[in-house]
Formats: sequence, C-alpha cells, structure tokens
Amino acid sequence: EVQLVESGGYLVQPGGSLRLSCAASGFTFSRYWMTWVRQAPGKGLEWMANINLDGGDTYYVDSVKGRFTISRDSAKNSLFLQMNSLRVEDTAVYYCARGSHYYDGSGFYSFDSWGQGILVTVSS
Amino acid sequence: QSALTQPASVSGSPGQSITISCAGTSSDIGAYNYVAWYQHHPGKAPKLIIYDVTNRPSGVSIRFSGSKSGNTASLTISGLQAEDEADYYCSSYTTSTTLVFGSGTKVTVL
Repeated sequence: EVQLVESGGYLVQPGGSLRLSCAASGFTFSRYWMTWVRQAPGKGLEWMANINLDGGDTYYVDSVKGRFTISRDSAKNSLFLQMNSLRVEDTAVYYCARGSHYYDGSGFYSFDSWGQGILVTVSS
Repeated sequence: QSALTQPASVSGSPGQSITISCAGTSSDIGAYNYVAWYQHHPGKAPKLIIYDVTNRPSGVSIRFSGSKSGNTASLTISGLQAEDEADYYCSSYTTSTTLVFGSGTKVTVL
C-alpha cells in the first residue's frame, strides 16, 4: 500500500524557516516524480513545486521561487520542502504527492497518491 | 499564473448528471492535453479521478468523464451519488513549465 506521511509542520514567526518532510513507503520512491501542493485556510489547492526522479530538476510556482527548495533523498525514501523567509500568507496545509506513472513524464502533470497533509502556521 | 476558473458550486439530485467547467487560457489548457481532475473530501487526501483530459485511473468509477474544448476543460459526473459530494479541482500544465490548479468547485447532492 502506498503511504505518504508529512511531518515538520509547526507555528513559526514571519521571516522564519521550516523544513517539511514526507516519508514514502509501499512503492519504489526513486522511480517517481514528487510534488508539494498546499491549501490555505478556506482556499483551493495551489501547486508549489515538482522534483524529478533523481532530484536534478526542480520546478516552482513564482510565489515561492528563491524562498522554498524541494529536494529528495532516495536512500531515506523521503521528500523535503525547505521553506525560508516565511510569510503569513504561507499559512496552509501542505500535501506531498506522488507523480503518476502512466508514461515517461506523466508524473509532472498528475498526482495519483497523496498524503493527509500537515499544517504550517506563520504568525507572530 | 492565475488559478483556472471554476464555478464555486454545482448541485444536483441523485441520479442526475452535472458538469463542472474549468476555464483557462491558450497558455495552459489550450496549449496541452495535460488536464487532471481531483476529488477532495475535506480533511482527507485528494484523489486523482481524471488525467490527460479524458483518462480515468484504474478503480475510478466510469461515472466520471473528462473533456476539453479550446481553453476550457470539463468534468461530468453521471448518475450522481451522495458519496460524490466533495470539492473538485482541475489542474493544467502551462507553457511556463509549471502547473496551475483551478479555483475549486463544491458539489452538493440535493
């Protein structure tokens, strides 16, 4: 069974940093694109970042470029999101998700397994 | 990149069909056939129900179908059931090598 479990969500002050982790199990982690998606309170889903199979290629939404870094460690079957210079508007539930595997590259465009999400609160 | 535009809410009676629209631009939906749809029950993990405009993942009910015309994609739910009550989001790949989600649609089963 595919499992994705996020951790590392806390209350942090504006300007602070946080590192989210996502522990993956039940599949060969190194064969899948991975992503982070967030949902602010009362708002819709927002794509944050994608990372390819070996971590060599990363892609970000403009609002977090230069502040957030997505990375992965296949030896630990883990996905990470380093978040710096946090703003109040970064308050959200953050989901990690696995890219689909219907054909080469499909993992960039759709996500077939999701974690339950972790709450990050940025407030003074 | 602005969110794709979806109606805030759609409702229908059990057994009816409903359609949710997802309006984008020539830089996203109109440029590629990489539209996906997700079902999200609040407090739970989102679920992929359509990928690449029209394809259903294994295990997803055939009552869900997707289509696209120009810059607008659509999700149709046939034979509406109580369990279909949830939030639905479209997403699309963009010419900026990013992804964008729709604003979300709350489906209510009357």
